[in-house]
Amino acid sequence: GESVGLHLPTLSVQEGDNSIINCAYSNSASDYFIWYKQESGKGPQFIIDIRSNMDKRQGQRVTVLLNKTVKHLSLQIAATQPGDSAVYFCAESSDYKLSFGAGTTVTVRA
Amino acid sequence: NAGVMQNPRHLVRRRGQEARLRCSPMKGHSHVYWYRQLPEEGLKFMVYLQKENIIDESGMPKERFSAEFPKEGPSILRIQQVVRGDSAAYFCASSPFRQTNTGELFFGEGSRLTVL
Repeated sequence: GESVGLHLPTLSVQEGDNSIINCAYSNSASDYFIWYKQESGKGPQFIIDIRSNMDKRQGQRVTVLLNKTVKHLSLQIAATQPGDSAVYFCAESSDYKLSFGAGTTVTVRA
Repeated sequence: NAGVMQNPRHLVRRRGQEARLRCSPMKGHSHVYWYRQLPEEGLKFMVYLQKENIIDESGMPKERFSAEFPKEGPSILRIQQVVRGDSAAYFCASSPFRQTNTGELFFGEGSRLTVL
């Protein structure tokens, strides 16, 4: 079946460094992707999204890159801060349904 | 403008009991979605409802689970005769439109069910 998955389950990054979180998807028909941040004990929080007709989209300190050729999605966080420590999920949208990957736990070292 | 409100935030039940989880969508949102998150996993779609209608329940177990979104009041996810495998975080999300590719899908804080 179709799936969305993340390459690495954990990422440790020094405060101030850039973080890169990767995601692979298998449904080539997907046309919309979202990154969510989930802090401990909380619900997923929207970070940034991208449509399949785009390769890159930038937000505040975050950039999402989409490579449709290899079905790969990445989230880059610039100047990582302690408040960025969380689990990050990529998700693909099919009409009203979201399919989530397993998540990458990001830990920021002071 | 309150966000998606879920209650209870934490619920403990013994095997065989019933669990009722409530979700009040954001103001102006008539589309509600329930997702389940098992420990160390991503969220899995369960059911999509609009007022008084179940649109898609393909992700919900056929037995013991039911969902509703009445004309008045919150959406309710009901789990009968709970088993330990039902222990999970249950998240509700709402949106003003059917499609979720608009960035206007918002999640609640979740209800964490523990079955003893």
